[in-house]
Amino acid sequence: SQQGEEDPQALSIQEGENATMNCSYKTSINNLQWYRQNSGRGLVHLILIRSNEREKHSGRLRVTLDTSKKSSSLLITASRAADTASYFCARTAGGTSYGKLTFGQGTILTVHP
Amino acid sequence: NAGVMQNPRHLVRRRGQEARLRCSPMKGHSHVYWYRQLPEEGLKFMVYLQKENIIDESGMPKERFSAEFPKEGPSILRIQQVVRGDSAAYFCASSPPSGGGTDTQYFGPGTRLTVL
Repeated sequence: SQQGEEDPQALSIQEGENATMNCSYKTSINNLQWYRQNSGRGLVHLILIRSNEREKHSGRLRVTLDTSKKSSSLLITASRAADTASYFCARTAGGTSYGKLTFGQGTILTVHP
Repeated sequence: NAGVMQNPRHLVRRRGQEARLRCSPMKGHSHVYWYRQLPEEGLKFMVYLQKENIIDESGMPKERFSAEFPKEGPSILRIQQVVRGDSAAYFCASSPPSGGGTDTQYFGPGTRLTVL
């Protein structure tokens, strides 16, 4: 399958704890993006990391990318109940896949107050 | 600057009818993408368009589905003779002309299609 794998499929934590979600893929990438989706809603873009970058930060979010292992991780620090959502990684590749986002299956994060 | 707009937000059709989903990209964006999300699944790419051109339709079912992005007006995803298996959330995304389609894609709220 060309789809990425995300793990865990579901993660349940307490407010204040950190949440780490992982994403693996099989083909080369141009960039990798992380999105959040609240239940029944659209997707909100979180971070884009390019293939020549290793780490990016945005507020409480930290994304890493290891192209040698074909994997990325999203860390949410000091989680809040409002972070409860599904999180997806999505990548773009070159060549004939130009512009097309390939999504993983997602991680369902539940943060308990 | 309004975000990506999609309408209708909810659409109910009976089997055999046609469904038309509309997407207005963000101002200044010339790349439009359509994705489908089945229940409990991630999004699957359908088609990538620029004004008056289909760039990549590798994710579009071979029959009954078509998409366009005319010079004027919104992008349209058209599903003819809908079947129950077409029930899903359909998301549109747009990105600016710079970057050749590899920049951040901004998503609309989606259209939830229910086929009775």
